[in-house]
Amino acid sequence: DAGITQSPRHKVTETGTPVTLRCHQTENHRYMYWYRQDPGHGLRLIHYSYGVKDTDKGEVSDGYSVSRSKTEDFLLTLESATSSQTSVYFCAISVGDNYGYTFGSGTRLTVV
Amino acid sequence: GDSVTQMEGPVTLSEEAFLTINCTYTATGYPSLFWYVQYPGEGLQLLLKATKADDKGSNKGFEATYRKETTSFHLEKGSVQVSDSAVYFCALSPSGGGADGLTFGKGTHLIIQP
Repeated sequence: DAGITQSPRHKVTETGTPVTLRCHQTENHRYMYWYRQDPGHGLRLIHYSYGVKDTDKGEVSDGYSVSRSKTEDFLLTLESATSSQTSVYFCAISVGDNYGYTFGSGTRLTVV
Repeated sequence: GDSVTQMEGPVTLSEEAFLTINCTYTATGYPSLFWYVQYPGEGLQLLLKATKADDKGSNKGFEATYRKETTSFHLEKGSVQVSDSAVYFCALSPSGGGADGLTFGKGTHLIIQP
């Protein structure tokens, strides 16, 4: 099983505060992804990374930024959290073309 | 752009019933197709995949066949169990690999009653 961990698992934060979610992998995979999961929407891609310091926007990137200073860590930052960003956030890694993705266990974020 | 359409449910079946969850897609070229399963409180797990037309993916009694002529990848299982209760996602990876992200359907919530 590919080693991928997300932290924190749960977080409650106030509107307007910055929040950073962390995704850590232990297997040196090049491609990493951040998705959000919401009822009625399935999973939507926020940002992804091709490698260290190499990132790109996904479908729902507004209000989010990412950083990847090391291969193993991919950080997602909500610059100023809003209630619409209450969601479950999943990190994923790609283990190769056409092999699908391995997902972390998710971070449940509530913005009050 | 690419898209995946699947029934959202919930789909409720009795144990040992036959299962079909429909999935159709829109994409250019020759995408790869996947089914993922999500159990309560967990992340998504890859269930099966198919990378070219007429391929059949199978795992844990589940099967799906890549039908390019109908742009479909329906998930089937002959006899479901209570432990199959979960949310199932159909997804596609664009032609040439999924480096820039998978496209997911909205998920189908499956409930199996004893």
